[in-house]
Amino acid sequence: AQSVTQPDIHITVSEGASLELRCNYSYGATPYLFWYVQSPGQGLQLLLKYFSGDTLVQGIKGFEAEFKRSQSSFNLRKPSVHWSDAAEYFCAVGARSGGTSYGKLTFGQGTILTVHP
Amino acid sequence: EAQVTQNPRYLITVTGKKLTVTCSQNMNHEYMSWYRQDPGLGLRQIYYSMNVEVTDKGDVPEGYKVSRKEKRNFPLILESPSPNQTSLYFCASSLTGSSGNTIYFGEGSWLTVV
Repeated sequence: AQSVTQPDIHITVSEGASLELRCNYSYGATPYLFWYVQSPGQGLQLLLKYFSGDTLVQGIKGFEAEFKRSQSSFNLRKPSVHWSDAAEYFCAVGARSGGTSYGKLTFGQGTILTVHP
Repeated sequence: EAQVTQNPRYLITVTGKKLTVTCSQNMNHEYMSWYRQDPGLGLRQIYYSMNVEVTDKGDVPEGYKVSRKEKRNFPLILESPSPNQTSLYFCASSLTGSSGNTIYFGEGSWLTVV
């Protein structure tokens, strides 16, 4: 069964500082990988996704993520954080093939980002 | 505009009073699903539907029912809600069950059971 771990429940950074949110997954092959953001009281917004090809993926709002097969990781990064980035971030994996996981996204526990001025 | 619409967005109900959260999509998608979001647990799939009249359990189906009589609608039914079903619920849809398809999420429904 696929699983996702986000080791950091809560991260605090200063505005303008760089950011890296960690995501580790467990899956038998290379999964589809996603990062979503949820602002307080809002729904989910897709930041970026990895399907294949270049392991460095660019997303919206200046975010990028790097897929590292050897480490089963898909960490999210941003070079300079803005106060509006304060939100909860979710990493998710999706199965590439059929079976009971087909169509399902498995989410990590989420990382809450606080940005200090 | 491509949309997944959930109703109600906010609801406070009492234990045991049956309720239905509706979900409708306007994209002719085959695959629809329901997730619940709880602090520290992320989102977990409750039920999913591959197409009309085809539904199956996700990871946390206990206490929920679904139906898929029409392609566009996928209601979530809580026959006898309990306080542990207090949660934020998301409906999602995609063209097919492949995770390679774009997944559209609804805005979420905040449910409190007292």
